[in-house]
Amino acid sequence: ELKVEQNPLFLSMQEGKNYTIYCNYSTTSDRLYWYRQDPGKSLESLFVLLSNGAVKQEGRLMASLDTKARLSTLHITAAVHDLSATYFCAGVYNFNKFYFGSGTKLNVKP
Amino acid sequence: GAGVSQTPSNKVTEKGKYVELRCDPISGHTALYWYRQSLGQGPEFLIYFQGTGAADDSGLPNDRFFAVRPEGSVSTLKIQRTERGDSAVYLCASSPGTSGRASWGHEQFFGPGTRLTVL
Repeated sequence: ELKVEQNPLFLSMQEGKNYTIYCNYSTTSDRLYWYRQDPGKSLESLFVLLSNGAVKQEGRLMASLDTKARLSTLHITAAVHDLSATYFCAGVYNFNKFYFGSGTKLNVKP
Repeated sequence: GAGVSQTPSNKVTEKGKYVELRCDPISGHTALYWYRQSLGQGPEFLIYFQGTGAADDSGLPNDRFFAVRPEGSVSTLKIQRTERGDSAVYLCASSPGTSGRASWGHEQFFGPGTRLTVL
């Protein structure tokens, strides 16, 4: 079984600030997914990271993967209110069994 | 094209009743997943289909839960003798992935979910 831990679980930040969400996982998962979920809505795929050292960026969000450290990060640059949501990371075991973290609830204050 | 759809969007039932939850994946997607999401938690894997067959059902919590995908498209999650602890949002996702390593890198597209409440 793959255990996925995110921290922090809650993050309140001011607009314009930078911050990083961390995702640690317990055993081999050489691909890692990040999702966004708005309240009452379903999950929206943000990034798929396939290999060690992978870095992907979309707007103010940048995700990276270090398979040796079993760590992925989601970095937020110059946060804006529209980024307020819950962010989940998910590791994959045995090709298709997804294990999600508990989520990081981000609140960006104007 | 249409995304993943799930029906009903909400289901309220009484303890002990039987329920069926339906998922219509994106056309052509061979992989289909069911998850359960409790309040404040991440989705919990239940079952994965590749085509018509359940490739991994190890996440089903007990034998009251069963899922089918008879024609490799629509899937139904069936819960017998519902319990209050079954209350959650049930999410379905589909992916164009084929089996094994060929599925690497494929995104999952999630449906809006069915909120199940067992009274």
